Amino acid sequence: QKEVEQDPGPLSVPEGAIVSLNCTYSNSAFQYFMWYRQYSRKGPELLMYTYSSGNKEDGRFTAQVDKSSKYISLFIRDSQPSDSATYLCAMRDAGNMLTFGGGTRLMVKP
Amino acid sequence: NAGVTQTPKFQVLKTGQSMTLQCAQDMNHNSMYWYRQDPGMGLRLIYYSASEGTTDKGEVPNGYNVSRLNKREFSLRLESAAPSQTSVYFCASTPGQNTDTQYFGPGTRLTVL
Repeated sequence: QKEVEQDPGPLSVPEGAIVSLNCTYSNSAFQYFMWYRQYSRKGPELLMYTYSSGNKEDGRFTAQVDKSSKYISLFIRDSQPSDSATYLCAMRDAGNMLTFGGGTRLMVKP
Repeated sequence: NAGVTQTPKFQVLKTGQSMTLQCAQDMNHNSMYWYRQDPGMGLRLIYYSASEGTTDKGEVPNGYNVSRLNKREFSLRLESAAPSQTSVYFCASTPGQNTDTQYFGPGTRLTVL
């Protein structure tokens, strides 16, 4: 079983929809959580970073962490075609190596 | 300011051939990383260099070697390529203090026949 599980999708939504992307993990030592966005044929780029349980909002994006359930989410409000990409969750413990999920491919249709 | 650059962008090798993937960053970052990305597997760390002069194994180091040539450059070498090494390879760097904000290069698509 992988340490970090993520539904690969693809997830197809109409423009303007609220999108929910999720990851579950098994290592209770993970304490830093990130979401990376990767456009086709490009390298990933950091989208959101959270340290503790709870919510963090940045514009149309909200990252949520539930450490008790070992579950993290990324919500995208008013989704746009430009949000079409693969979203990778990543996390780490006190060390310096990130563990990535497999990524969820999102398609936002105009 | 180019960020992280990787060469080549594409490469096709035959089984047993060797090659070196090049990575350079111009952000004066201390730490550099090599990942491979396979469908459904996410990014897996091959090797990393926390600072100039040091290298450490990641999750999947077998079949690879690395060199931190200087602060800017971190190369990945495949001594005897195998079909299982067909993948997209990404180099990344971080300032060193914060390993979570990793800056990725555009990737090298490698096919081993």
